[in-house]
Amino acid sequence: DTEVTQTPKHLVMGMTNKKSLKCEQHMGHRAMYWYKQKAKKPPELMFVYSYEKLSINESVPSRFSPECPNSSLLNLHLHALQPEDSALYLCASSQASSRETQYFGPGTRLLVL
Amino acid sequence: AQRVTQPEKLLSVFKGAPVELKCNYSYSGSPELFWYVQYSRQRLQLLLRHISRESIKGFTADLNKGETSFHLKKPFAQEEDSAMYYCALLYNQGGKLIFGQGTELSVKP
Repeated sequence: DTEVTQTPKHLVMGMTNKKSLKCEQHMGHRAMYWYKQKAKKPPELMFVYSYEKLSINESVPSRFSPECPNSSLLNLHLHALQPEDSALYLCASSQASSRETQYFGPGTRLLVL
Repeated sequence: AQRVTQPEKLLSVFKGAPVELKCNYSYSGSPELFWYVQYSRQRLQLLLRHISRESIKGFTADLNKGETSFHLKKPFAQEEDSAMYYCALLYNQGGKLIFGQGTELSVKP
């Protein structure tokens, strides 16, 4: 398996809901990333996990909570989001967190009502 | 500060014409530079990495440290090249990938 997969593809949630995004890779990569991408804008880094430990948090609001249960899985737990959080959420992985090519999943398109 | 600049938001060319998408960077260390492409409703895909020096889909890019540039070129554009192109700089501290604002390439028949 040479791809990063993400579920669900689409998600609609209210501001009081709790939901989770899931990302999976089976390439043996040890670094995983969450990015947020608004329409016609570049991806913006949110979190980096290296060897299952959170290594970078780009000052993301606490309503976004990442989790890395094992080296193949990455979750993003969402709670009490705002409409401005509506975006495409991208997961990526790489062999290590420095000087390695990052490979992206297809994304989860999130709409917060 | 680390920064990637893509000066053109939109580039429109005719099929068969040469195309050059500009990218300039600002980084004090040894840069790791990439070009990613995002076709409509598809995932962000790696197009080129400067150290690999490969030609993917006919695209090439040369790192010019003197001009701090990494422009993407293709001698003959095809309609299927129409997409959003992002230049990105890998910041060595922890793997942070810094993207330019992107250039939308439109290849007309």
